[in-house]
Amino acid sequence: NAGVMQNPRHLVRRRGQEARLRCSPMKGHSHVYWYRQLPEEGLKFMVYLQKENIIDESGMPKERFSAEFPKEGPSILRIQQVVRGDSAAYFCASSPETNSNQPQHFGDGTRLSIL
Amino acid sequence: AQSVTQLGSHVSVSEGALVLLRCNYSSSVPPYLFWYVQYPNQGLQLLLKYTTGATLVKGINGFEAEFKKSETSFHLTKPSAHMSDAAEYFCALTGGGNKLTFGTGTQLKVEL
Repeated sequence: NAGVMQNPRHLVRRRGQEARLRCSPMKGHSHVYWYRQLPEEGLKFMVYLQKENIIDESGMPKERFSAEFPKEGPSILRIQQVVRGDSAAYFCASSPETNSNQPQHFGDGTRLSIL
Repeated sequence: AQSVTQLGSHVSVSEGALVLLRCNYSSSVPPYLFWYVQYPNQGLQLLLKYTTGATLVKGINGFEAEFKKSETSFHLTKPSAHMSDAAEYFCALTGGGNKLTFGTGTQLKVEL
C-alpha cells in the first residue's frame, strides 16, 4: 500500500504525558499537512510542512504542540503535557506539488485518547 | 477568509433514491472545491474536485457536483443511493493557499 501511513492508529496517554504521532507521506509527495477532527466537527487545519520547513502553522495551538518533517523519516506531530481536550482524531495528508488544486491524500488517522 | 457551510448534519434517503448533499462556500479568491467521503475509523477519500473549466464535475462511485458561482454552491448528487454510500461527507475548499477548509460534514444514512 503506497498510501499515506500514520501510526499508531490508536494512542492512549494520561494527562501530562507526551504524544508523538507519525506520518509517512505517499511516495513522491513532499508536502505534508496535519488536521485535527474533534467529535461532531469537521477537520481543522493545523500545520503545513515541506521537507525541513514549516510553511504554515497558523492552525497550531501556541503552546505544547509542535511539528517537524525531517530530511529523512516521517513527519512527527508532538503534543507535550497532554490534556483531556487534546482527545481527537489527528489526520495527516500529503500532496506532490505546491499548487492548491492538487488534492490531498489522507491517512487513516491517529485516534488520541487522554485519560 | 474562506468558509464552508454544509446544510444538514444528517441526511437520510431510501436505497435507490436521489442523494443531494448541500455545500455553500465563501471565498475572497476563486476557490478550488472538493468533496471527500469518510467511512468509520478511516481517513478521507477524495470523491471529486473542481478547479477550473467545466462546472459539472463527475467523481467516483457515481457522484457528481456542480459549481455554481452565482449561488456560491457546490452541491453533491447521486441519482440512485446504494447502501454502501452510507458514510460522512465533507465539502472543502482551498483558496490562495494549500490548506483545506472543511465544512462540518453531513452524515448520510441509506435505508432499505
